[in-house]
Order: sequence, then C-alpha cells, then structure tokens
Amino acid sequence: GAGVSQSPSNKVTEKGKDVELRCDPISGHTALYWYRQSLGQGLEFLIYFQGNSAPDKSGLPSDRFSAERTGGSVSTLTIQRTQQEDSAVYLCASSTGLAGDTDTQYFGPGTRLTVL
Amino acid sequence: DAKTTQPNSMESNEEEPVHLPCNHSTISGTDYIHWYRQLPSQGPEYVIHGLTSNVNNRMASLAIAEDRKSSTLILHRATLRDAAVYYCIRAAGNKLTFGGGTRVLVKP
Repeated sequence: GAGVSQSPSNKVTEKGKDVELRCDPISGHTALYWYRQSLGQGLEFLIYFQGNSAPDKSGLPSDRFSAERTGGSVSTLTIQRTQQEDSAVYLCASSTGLAGDTDTQYFGPGTRLTVL
Repeated sequence: DAKTTQPNSMESNEEEPVHLPCNHSTISGTDYIHWYRQLPSQGPEYVIHGLTSNVNNRMASLAIAEDRKSSTLILHRATLRDAAVYYCIRAAGNKLTFGGGTRVLVKP
C-alpha cells in the first residue's frame, strides 16, 4: 500500500526566502510528525499533530517555523526567511494514533533542503 | 534526559549475529523501548519495541535487562541489507527522541 510521501524530494533556496514542504500521510492515520535531520546529526523532533487536538509544537526551533495540517490529512511545514542552518533533511512520519507509547511511526523519504 | 547511549559503530560479518547494546539508565517504569533503523538515503523504519519482557519478531529480537536500564537488539543473521544506523529510543508518549544511533557495517 501507499506509504508516507513527501514533496519535493529536494529543495534548494536562497537565504531569506520562504519554503513550504509537504507531507501526505498514510490514509487513515490520525497522528502526524515532523522531524529534521541535520548533516551528521540524529533526528530532531519538530511538531506533532493528533486528530483535532492542538499540535505539540515544542520542538520547533524558532518562530520562523510553522506547520499546519488541513482536513486531518496533508501537512505543510513552512520555514520563513530561511537561514543556512536550516539546511537539513526534513522527515515526516504518521501513525494510527491509537496505540499511544507503542504506536509505530511510518516515515517518508524526506525532503532535503539546502539553503544557499 | 530522555536520550539513550549507544556505541557509535559496530562491524559484523555477513550471516553472523549482531548484538547492539543500548543504555537507558534513567528510564521510567512506563517508558517503552523502541528500535528504529535508517538505511542510507531513507527515512527510519520501525524494528521492534518492548517494555519489560524480551520480544521477538521477524526482523530481530529485543532483550531487556531485568532492571530495564539497558537492552540489546539482536539481529540473528546479519545480511548486507541490514547495514544501517540503528536507533534505540525511549518512548514517553508519542514523541520519539532519537540519539546518535549505532552505525552497523556488514562485511561480506
């Protein structure tokens, strides 16, 4: 079946520009997560959506980062006024949201963002 | 601190078992232990999880110490396709806090 998809797969932008990254979760999954992985670093949690609840934004590094999830499905991560340190692979994951601490997260292939 | 401690890398020969240790000495009684792996140029994929008892699935086994301060992921017969970074994660709620992971190299 279809897994988590992300677009674009690669994005090159200039410092100061805004970018939008898209995530299509697995159909029926109510939970959606964004992570980022900087070069040589582990994965860093950014934000978590669960159903209609207010998102957990505790991992967003600055107010330049925001995300929304429309209709409980597709999500968009927006980075405003990009900086070179924003260069990373941005990964999206989804899960059923039913199993709490044992929920398996299914990751997409990521979007590689390069800020020049 | 929700992070775990793992060796940076391990090498194994093909068809041999691989034992990947993880230290989580500050784990609370309700935190699950999850393992994910990340193959080159891919997103992470789930491997296994457990709470107190040892667990087995088609990919691996998870041995959890009685005091739960450490665990070991066991790949019974490593193949070249198992070369990846393996992450041991304490799951408190739905957020996964990834550490540095162990890079597994499998030699033919």
